[in-house]
Formats: sequence, C-alpha cells, structure tokens
Amino acid sequence: DQQVKQNSPSLSVQEGRISILNCDYTNSMFDYFLWYKKYPAEGPTFLISISSIKDKNEDGRFTVFLNKSAKHLSLHIVPSQPGDSAVYFCAASGTTSGTYKYIFGTGTRLKVLA
Amino acid sequence: DTGVSQDPRHKITKRGQNVTFRCDPISEHNRLYWYRQTLGQGPEFLTYFQNEAQLEKSRLLSDRFSAERPKGSFSTLEIQRTEQGDSAMYLCASIRGLNTEAFFGQGTRLTVV
Repeated sequence: DQQVKQNSPSLSVQEGRISILNCDYTNSMFDYFLWYKKYPAEGPTFLISISSIKDKNEDGRFTVFLNKSAKHLSLHIVPSQPGDSAVYFCAASGTTSGTYKYIFGTGTRLKVLA
Repeated sequence: DTGVSQDPRHKITKRGQNVTFRCDPISEHNRLYWYRQTLGQGPEFLTYFQNEAQLEKSRLLSDRFSAERPKGSFSTLEIQRTEQGDSAMYLCASIRGLNTEAFFGQGTRLTVV
C-alpha cells in the first residue's frame, strides 16, 4: 500500500532550466508534506516543507506547490544547477490524525546537465 | 547542534549473527525515528519513540528486531539472527515538536553475507 507515490524514477534537465518533480498521495489525512534530497551513502537532507493550510511555499530556488483536491504536490527548482543532481524524496505525515510517522515516496533521481 | 549521529557507518556480518546500531539524536529532540532503505526504494518506517516511549512499530519490524531509547536520549536498534534480506541502510532521524522537519543521520549500511 504505497500511500506516497513518485511515478518518475528519473529526470534530466539542462542547467539553468526549471526542474519539476511530482508526488501524489492517497491518504486524505496527511496534512504536512516535505521534500528531501539524498546523495549516495548519506542520509536524506531536508529541503522544504508545506502545511496543508497553504498551497505554496518558497525558499530561494525551491518552491513547493500543494493541490489538496488532486492530492498532488510538486517541487520546482529554478534555476537548476549541477549540484542539484541527487535523489529527491517527498514525504507526508498526518499529525492531526495522530500519524506522526513520515511516509516517503520511492524517489526521483534528478540529473542536471551542465 | 552537532546533528544526528549514527554508529557504525558500515557493518558487515555473517548470516545468523546479532548486530546492534546506535543513534544519538539532536539534543532536546523528543521524537526519534528508525527507517530502513533498500536500493531503489524510499526510506521505510520501522518505529518511533517519543522520549523513552516506543509509540509505534511497523509490521516490517519482525520479532528479530528490537529498539530501545533508555532515558529518552540515544537509541539502539538490534537485529537478532540476521538474514540476507536485512541488508539495507538503516537511518535514524530526530524531530522536535510537530509539523517540522526530521533531521536524519548518515545511516548505517548493513551487509549480511
């Protein structure tokens, strides 16, 4: 039962262009969403989050959009840089329902071409 | 703030042996999580603690797995009678409060031969 899905295993983008990573979820009780970046042999590093009371959150080059009706969120990276090449995971939790664990998607490998 | 620390970083063990991993969370973080990650998958939830209380365990956590967090500080994850299917990266994360980010350690890579 995959409650958080990232349907694109990989994505290649030219340096300077926009990267758009997508994530879908099935549990309507999720109310907090996060994006993490992971390099090989390291733990995930937090990038940006969004609460379900918002539909957009921006931090520098990173913007997360949340569409609750579609149960969909996306991460936009503008402009993309070669150092952004990594695996990106979305995660969700539902604190109002008492679900304090973070459920992760399977990840999208982003490659930014110089 | 020294971050989440995990020890060891790598462990190779023979099938059937017991292994124990340690996680030191960020101080004052009251919740501590254990995850497992295999190749091509996202981190899979195993268990979490709020202070010293273990509040939830995944069905992935068979009776060969046990976790503790004495005094609400560091945590240990023990795997008894290891099997080749236990080979994975074991990740620890800590959080302070609600609706905030989890900080992950660098993980322990377990290889069962």
